[in-house]
Amino acid sequence: QLQLQESGPGLVNPSETLSLTCTVSGGSISSSDHFWGWIRQPPGKGLEWIGSIYYSGNTYYNPSLKSRVTISVDTSKNQFSLKLSSVTAADTAVYYCARSLAAVFDYWGQGTLVTVSS
Amino acid sequence: DIQMTQSPSTLSASLGDRVTITCRASQSVSNWLAWYQQKRGKAPKLLIYQASSLESGVPSRFSGSGSGTGFTLTISSLQPDDFATYYCQQYNSYPWTFGQGTKVEIK
Repeated sequence: QLQLQESGPGLVNPSETLSLTCTVSGGSISSSDHFWGWIRQPPGKGLEWIGSIYYSGNTYYNPSLKSRVTISVDTSKNQFSLKLSSVTAADTAVYYCARSLAAVFDYWGQGTLVTVSS
Repeated sequence: DIQMTQSPSTLSASLGDRVTITCRASQSVSNWLAWYQQKRGKAPKLLIYQASSLESGVPSRFSGSGSGTGFTLTISSLQPDDFATYYCQQYNSYPWTFGQGTKVEIK
């Protein structure tokens, strides 16, 4: 059974960089059929797609965040990562990692709350 | 960006009710539309993809229909496990976008 697990700091200072890692178990991140993505959800609000990456390193970002986002993949560790720079309180959210097949997210991590505050 | 608008935002229903949630796209997304269920404090769960295809393991009381700009998610007979928030998502063009959600509450 495929499992995804987010990890990283739960508190980030304003103007700094948010860094999260998603560890994939029970399957290979090098699957040719799948992309791996990040989605966030501010408290009490809806879902926002941040970006996705293929195992080869090809990335697709939401233009609204593109200038601040970097998604990378480490196939040797079966992990992919998110970096979001220059964060503000508006970036406070639950961050999910997920697997996608044709842009449909079929497996999700449990999510991790990241709060931006000093 | 393609805007996805769901209605209603909140729906009150009783066990056994037939429930319909609507999702409208600001431009055609063909049939590249998915539905997710999210319970409080949990990750979303995929229910429907390509507008009407039921994800493996999802009960058959869930069904989806529509194409172009108008879509519906129907629960044929509401069960206790179905009280949750439902989101549509288009994947016709980047960036992938979600509706604002429809909360299904107990009447």
